[in-house]
Amino acid sequence: TQLLEQSPQFLSIQEGENLTVYCNSSSVFSSLQWYRQEPGEGPVLLVTVVTGGEVKKLKRLTFQFGDARKDSSLHITAAQPGDTGLYLCAGDRAGSARQLTFGSGTQLTVLP
Amino acid sequence: DSGVTQTPKHLITATGQRVTLRCSPRSGDLSVYWYQQSLDQGLQFLIQYYNGEERAKGNILERFSAQQFPDLHSELNLSSLELGDSALYFCASSVGPDRYQPQHFGDGTRLSIL
Repeated sequence: TQLLEQSPQFLSIQEGENLTVYCNSSSVFSSLQWYRQEPGEGPVLLVTVVTGGEVKKLKRLTFQFGDARKDSSLHITAAQPGDTGLYLCAGDRAGSARQLTFGSGTQLTVLP
Repeated sequence: DSGVTQTPKHLITATGQRVTLRCSPRSGDLSVYWYQQSLDQGLQFLIQYYNGEERAKGNILERFSAQQFPDLHSELNLSSLELGDSALYFCASSVGPDRYQPQHFGDGTRLSIL
């Protein structure tokens, strides 16, 4: 059983559409990170959210950490083909030694 | 380029063999992490070192071991290899061992067991 559940698992949309990816857990996290991974490369950190209810924006990407620090969402506005990739959320569990728990990932394909 | 270097990029070997994966962290980073990424298990934390000392252990099998050397590079040793060990192995590094410090990932070593 995955500690962090991501949905949807796969998403294929047209350029210009908006989308939201969800990352849910029954556990509390001290912080949550979002990564993007492209084929043949390692994950690249996009953002870290720490405070419950926190919202961070990175150009067309908006990240939100749930009030209870158990869930997070990533919203992309006007998606572009360059946004294509595997999006991973990863949580630092409260009270545990520093080890990230990764979600199963959302494979996003943006068609031109 | 994350600054984290992993070698080799690809490794093909047979069941029962032993391999060593190498990681050079970003300049200035003292903490190194190893992860395994497979299709069925996703990205799983294996082990963390900080300044030469083991700091945290995750889902690492007893057949696997790691160490961090005085020059801060790290090696992951996999022995008695099984078909199920075929996966991407990633190394990441961060400045220190603490929470909130971003981890920077290398491009991984793809291990294929025949």
